Formats: sequence, structure tokens, C-alpha cells
Amino acid sequence: EDKVVQSPLSLVVHEGDTVTLNCSYEVTNFRSLLWYKQEKKAPTFLFMLTSSGIEKKSGRLSSILDKKELFSILNITATQTGDSAVYLCAGGGSEKLVFGKGMKLTVNP
Amino acid sequence: DVKVTQSSRYLVKRTGEKVFLECVQDMDHENMFWYRQDPGLGLRLIYFSYDVKMKEKGDIPEGYSVSREKKERFSLILESASTNQTSMYLCASSFSWGAGDYGYTFGSGTRLTVV
Repeated sequence: EDKVVQSPLSLVVHEGDTVTLNCSYEVTNFRSLLWYKQEKKAPTFLFMLTSSGIEKKSGRLSSILDKKELFSILNITATQTGDSAVYLCAGGGSEKLVFGKGMKLTVNP
Repeated sequence: DVKVTQSSRYLVKRTGEKVFLECVQDMDHENMFWYRQDPGLGLRLIYFSYDVKMKEKGDIPEGYSVSREKKERFSLILESASTNQTSMYLCASSFSWGAGDYGYTFGSGTRLTVV
């Protein structure tokens, strides 16, 4: 059975801290690992990773995939209160995405 | 701006009512999905459709049905709403050649409360 496991499931930090979100996956016909950020409403796309070892960056966010260990991390440096959200990890198969339970990040001022 | 539109942001319905949640996309996507999202349980797939009039059960189809009469529209139906169907419902769409190649585009969600 396909599964995606995120850890930790919640985290509270102070502004300026660096956080690392973990995601392990077992997905049939794996094609990609995706990260989404969800605030009050729809998840918004952050990254899609298809190759091992190639870091993707967007501002203070970065992510990398390890296809041998079936693992991905999402790093957020110099966190801000606007980073408070639920972060979703999803494994992309041929037909649909398999989601983890999400990680709730709270950044306190 | 391409989008997936869900007809209602908030709904309050009574137990036993028939409830329709509508989702429309303008990206010519073949695949459409309905999820519910609950604290501690994440996103759980209810139904998906890979073509007009086609549907596949997801992980939790009980108590739900779907309709896809046109490519751009995918409806979720709660035949007889119950309080345990109180949840956030998310619609998503993707191209047919692989959600894993392009990911999903999500709607804004409908928060349904059944009283």
C-alpha cells in the first residue's frame, strides 16, 4: 500500500529559527515528490522534486530528494510569522498523489 | 489565471439533507479529485475521475457519490448528510499523463458543517 509519512506533525518555533521538515514515501510508479503550503484555504505549490541530490530553492525555502532512501526534506531558514501554515508532502505516482498527514508549523514573533 | 473553483466556501446543512458540492476547472484537465481534510488525518481521497462519466473510488467513498457529466465539472454528493461528514472538502485537478509529472491544482475548499 502506498504511503507518505511526515515528521514532525507539529512544530512551534520563534521567528528567525531554521526548521527542517521530513517526508518519507513508498509510492508505486513513483515520479515525483511534491511539497505544498496550506494556510487558511487551498494548498499552494512549493516544489516538485524528481531527481536525487538536486536542491531546489525558493527564497528562504529549499528542498531535496533522496530516491535511494525514499526521503525528502524541506528547509525553511530565518522563519517568519508568515511561514505559519500546514506543510503537505505528497508522493506522485502515475495516477494520483499520495499525501502525508501534513505538518503544522507555528512561528511565534 | 487558471483555476479550480469550488462553489461554496462555507456550508451548513442539516442531518439527512442531500448535499451537492460543485467543482469547476478551466484548465482542460482530464483528472479531477475530491478529498476531505480533517485534523490529524490529513487529506483522504474520496473519489476521483479520469474522464467524463468515469469515476473511481478512493480510500473513503462510503456515504458519498460523484457525478462528472462535463469535463470541467466534478460534483460530490452526500446522499444523506451526517455529522461525521463535517469536514473541509478539497477539489483538485491534473493532467491525465500523471499527477506525478505536474501535480495538482487545488480549489479553495468548502468547509461543510452538518448539524
